[in-house]
Amino acid sequence: QQQVKQSPQSLIVQKGGISIINCAYENTAFDYFPWYQQFPGKGPALLIAIRPDVSEKKEGRFTISFNKSAKQFSLHIMDSQPGDSATYFCAASGETSGSRLTFGEGTQLTVNP
Amino acid sequence: GAVVSQHPSWVICKSGTSVKIECRSLDFQATTMFWYRQFPKQSLMLMATSNEGSKATYEQGVEKDKFLINHASLTLSTLTVTSAHPEDSSFYICSAKLAGRVNEQFFGPGTRLTVL
Repeated sequence: QQQVKQSPQSLIVQKGGISIINCAYENTAFDYFPWYQQFPGKGPALLIAIRPDVSEKKEGRFTISFNKSAKQFSLHIMDSQPGDSATYFCAASGETSGSRLTFGEGTQLTVNP
Repeated sequence: GAVVSQHPSWVICKSGTSVKIECRSLDFQATTMFWYRQFPKQSLMLMATSNEGSKATYEQGVEKDKFLINHASLTLSTLTVTSAHPEDSSFYICSAKLAGRVNEQFFGPGTRLTVL
């Protein structure tokens, strides 16, 4: 019930294209869904997060789409740039779990110039 | 704001020795800090939750006597890997939760531990 499934495992996109990463969760008590970006040898950095009371949140080139009934959420990176090449993790947490984050398996994104 | 630091950024030690990793919240008070371990090409695995002034809560399968966690102040938590072995070599990352901010965590830069 605590799992968060993430796909694809790796993604190659051309510069200027749209990168889409999907996640699915099982625990309906989750109420916070962040996306993190991690570069090699660095800690993860919060990109954008959403709560289940909205279906979409946009910050710059990054958009989260959230489907509560399907228990799925996705990250869209518009106008992908080579600098976006990194590993992306979705995560989920809830107050009932003491704000402990459950992470997806990660997606290695490569944006070709 | 919300900066978390870790020290050291990398450490190499001999098998059987103990290593201490510090996690500090630089510009905020963190009542709760979390410790994660990340193996190459894998996701972050939560090891324990550390609350200021109380004992840490360990995840299932994490040896509390091997991974000692101390959260002595609102800005500092330490992880000590005791009697380290090569299989403990990993990337250790801490995160801190702002007091009053539900769910949101800020991550440190990580510490690369290599046990020879």
